[in-house]
Amino acid sequence: DAGVIQSPRHEVTEMGQEVTLRCKPISGHDYLFWYRQTMMRGLELLIYFNNNVPIDDSGMPEDRFSAKMPNASFSTLKIQPSEPRDSAVYFCASSPERNQPQHFGDGTRLSIL
Amino acid sequence: AQKITQTQPGMFVQEKEAVTLDCTYDTSDQSYGLFWYKQPSSGEMIFLIYQGSYDEQNATEGRYSLNFQKARKSANLVISASQLGDSAMYFCAMREALTGGGNKLTFGTGTQLKVEL
Repeated sequence: DAGVIQSPRHEVTEMGQEVTLRCKPISGHDYLFWYRQTMMRGLELLIYFNNNVPIDDSGMPEDRFSAKMPNASFSTLKIQPSEPRDSAVYFCASSPERNQPQHFGDGTRLSIL
Repeated sequence: AQKITQTQPGMFVQEKEAVTLDCTYDTSDQSYGLFWYKQPSSGEMIFLIYQGSYDEQNATEGRYSLNFQKARKSANLVISASQLGDSAMYFCAMREALTGGGNKLTFGTGTQLKVEL
């Protein structure tokens, strides 16, 4: 079975540019989560969706961050404009039900110069 | 607010030995779940094992077992017969129920495990 698929694996761009991270959850999983991992703050939940609907975006750091889930098999996390402090590893995860384990993608390592 | 504490920033173990990675948690919820994830140097997050707060038996998955002591609020991961490929960062996490369903995972700071020959 295919796991959670994220793209790109690595992204290096200059500050001020728009960055779009992509995620394909495991088929049949109703919940999708976006996390960010940094050395300083560890793993933090940014936003999560239930059946394509954003439920809680309280972890999104600021208005420069936005996330969408146009259908059950695709989600994007967008940063515009990007800043060096956004450099981190961004993970997408999905789970079939509320109490089931979340399965993570391989992450996107983002570097903003 | 929920909190996860992993007090061992780094651990060493010899190949084929067993190792215990500590995790304590703090929550006022009666229903919660505890998870362990492995993050190798390549960066992916790999789900290892899950324990529900109402589960009476300790969870086991192959060489992984979870030593769940509810009264002490601890959920230690035991890896038996360590292998070189077990060298990685290990994260303990707790499920927090969110509005509208789903779970927020609150992660500990991790333990870096190094398996030596």
